[in-house]
Amino acid sequence: DAEITQSPRHKITETGRQVTLACHQTWNHNNMFWYRQDLGHGLRLIHYSYGVQDTNKGEVSDGYSVSRSNTEDLPLTLESAASSQTSVYFCASSRLAGYTQYFGPGTRLTVL
Amino acid sequence: QKEVEQNSGPLSVPEGAIASLNCTYSDRGSQSFFWYRQYSGKSPELIMFIYSNGDKEDGRFTAQLNKASQYVSLLIRDSQPSDSATYLCAVNWDSGGSNYKLTFGKGTLLTVNP
Repeated sequence: DAEITQSPRHKITETGRQVTLACHQTWNHNNMFWYRQDLGHGLRLIHYSYGVQDTNKGEVSDGYSVSRSNTEDLPLTLESAASSQTSVYFCASSRLAGYTQYFGPGTRLTVL
Repeated sequence: QKEVEQNSGPLSVPEGAIASLNCTYSDRGSQSFFWYRQYSGKSPELIMFIYSNGDKEDGRFTAQLNKASQYVSLLIRDSQPSDSATYLCAVNWDSGGSNYKLTFGKGTLLTVNP
């Protein structure tokens, strides 16, 4: 069955370290998204991609970057982790932009 | 950034009752509307979507869309304790050049009491 996976599921890191969160989907979807979810803020879009070599900033992109070298993967990198980046991160993909998105299981990141 | 508003709740209903969840949105050009359910500690999962004005039924769930009022709702009939979760409304919008994105509401926490 097609699916979307994220790794690691839990991560504890220190302020200033670089962290990469992986997202892999086997739906063969062109569109992939990264969100963070915090109490009181809901899901907020960090970065998104409509295809290989395409990346775009979302509403909360500062301190994050992504790259898309193939259809299946969209890794999210925190260049220099900050305590404000402690959150739950969800990756999602969709066949059509602006239509049904399917979410991965999430990564809980703690920055100490 | 477009706005999607939901009552944060918690909305508490007795088992067997109808739960009504509401969502308003700001972009008149939005075409597609989605309801997701999110259990505590889990990822959002799609319940249903609706594109046209009116009602769409799927089992115990009914989505209602009124584009003129920019309002979408989700009714859950015969509510069960297993329906206790946060319900997220999502609305699509054109960010330019037919690049559609989804904006999510903050969600409504539903508690179904046995």
